[in-house]
Amino acid sequence: DIVMTQSPLSLPVTPGEPASISCRSSQSLLHGNGHNYLDWFLQRPGQSPQLLIYMGSNRASGVPDRFSGSGSGTDFTLKVSRVEAEDVGVYYCMQALQTPLTFGGGTKVEIK
Amino acid sequence: QVQLVQSGAEVKKPGASVKVSCKASGYIFINYFIYWVRQAPGQGLEWMGMINPNGGSTRFAQKFQGRVTVTRDTSASTVYMELSNLRYEDTAVYYCARDGAPPGAPIYGMDVWGQGTTVTVSS
Repeated sequence: DIVMTQSPLSLPVTPGEPASISCRSSQSLLHGNGHNYLDWFLQRPGQSPQLLIYMGSNRASGVPDRFSGSGSGTDFTLKVSRVEAEDVGVYYCMQALQTPLTFGGGTKVEIK
Repeated sequence: QVQLVQSGAEVKKPGASVKVSCKASGYIFINYFIYWVRQAPGQGLEWMGMINPNGGSTRFAQKFQGRVTVTRDTSASTVYMELSNLRYEDTAVYYCARDGAPPGAPIYGMDVWGQGTTVTVSS
């Protein structure tokens, strides 16, 4: 199974400031079609997870452009250009290259 | 709009089975894979398995093999997940979610999620 490792575990942020979360996979997530099969999700308190980024860098429908995904192979980053209060919650990366699909342990983002 | 609506909360005794439903609407049901993901209290997300509604083929995580069954009723646009021989550690919120890839494209992950179904295993 592909192991997904996120850092940091916890991220206190100041509204208006940028934030960054790292995700590393134990195997390359680069598919033969040239896409990286890495997704980012946000789970706000008490809610179902929400897709933010798919295939490494594609924003899902309705996701604000302050969210961006980058990286390739085994190292990926989610960046929030200017954090807003509604961005608090737990962020998960997930690999979709092969089954079993596997998630990172999560990064809890909270307002300072 | 695309929506997945799950059945209500369940309380079961150890050793029993639970069956959770996930009704899809707003899109062509057979065109998109459906996943099951669970989340134990205070824990992260765990992929359980998936079904291709077009034909009914399934894949499961090794740890659930033999204990989980996922089926679909295309006439009702509904997927069912049954977990048997329940243990205390199966207490969790169970989510169904749709894969976002169009027909013929490789799966890429969950673009629409159900509201979750809380399953509590208690004696």
